[in-house]
Amino acid sequence: DARVTQTPRHKVTEMGQEVTMRCQPILGHNTVFWYRQTMMQGLELLAYFRNRAPLDDSGMPKDRFSAEMPDATLATLKIQPSEPRDSAVYFCASGPPAGTAYQETQYFGPGTRLLVL
Amino acid sequence: KQEVTQIPAALSVPEGENLVLNCSFTDSAIYNLQWFRQDPGKGLTSLLLIQSSQREQTSGRLNASLDKSSGRSTLYIAASQPGDSATYLCAVRPLNAGNMLTFGGGTRLMVKP
Repeated sequence: DARVTQTPRHKVTEMGQEVTMRCQPILGHNTVFWYRQTMMQGLELLAYFRNRAPLDDSGMPKDRFSAEMPDATLATLKIQPSEPRDSAVYFCASGPPAGTAYQETQYFGPGTRLLVL
Repeated sequence: KQEVTQIPAALSVPEGENLVLNCSFTDSAIYNLQWFRQDPGKGLTSLLLIQSSQREQTSGRLNASLDKSSGRSTLYIAASQPGDSATYLCAVRPLNAGNMLTFGGGTRLMVKP
């Protein structure tokens, strides 16, 4: 049963600390998305990769957030320094290549619940 | 900028009722629209995907319709069950935006036994 995995599932940290969230997309998927979900803002797209290249990160605060794909099996989202307003659930999703069945569907991981004190 | 709105924000119904969730979007230039389900503490699961050229899609007790010209979609759930309790989100994929999705705020559904 192929799934998107995310680690850690929960993270509590103090303001100013670096936070790294990891995502393993489904094997064979070539698109990866990072989303942030809060009660106030709902689900927001932070960054979008295709074939490991960033295509859109306009939703991401550039001064403290960074997203990378070191290889096809790992995507990372880093916050440095973290702030209380970054507290949210961060979701990673992956999608299959164009021309594949269900190509438009995104498959979501379980999320990382972040609390910055 | 595409905006997606879902009404109502929350809904509580007794088991067995048929119900309708609403989604509206401001820009009709879309590639497709999807309905997702989110259980508490979990990620999103895709339920139905409607291409812009389609009018509706069905899966079991779920039926989703799309009226692109008016910027509306509805999710119809027949004979609701307590297991249907979850948050339902609609998302549109704009044209010329890659695979990016714009999500609505969701409708939190509670089906009481």
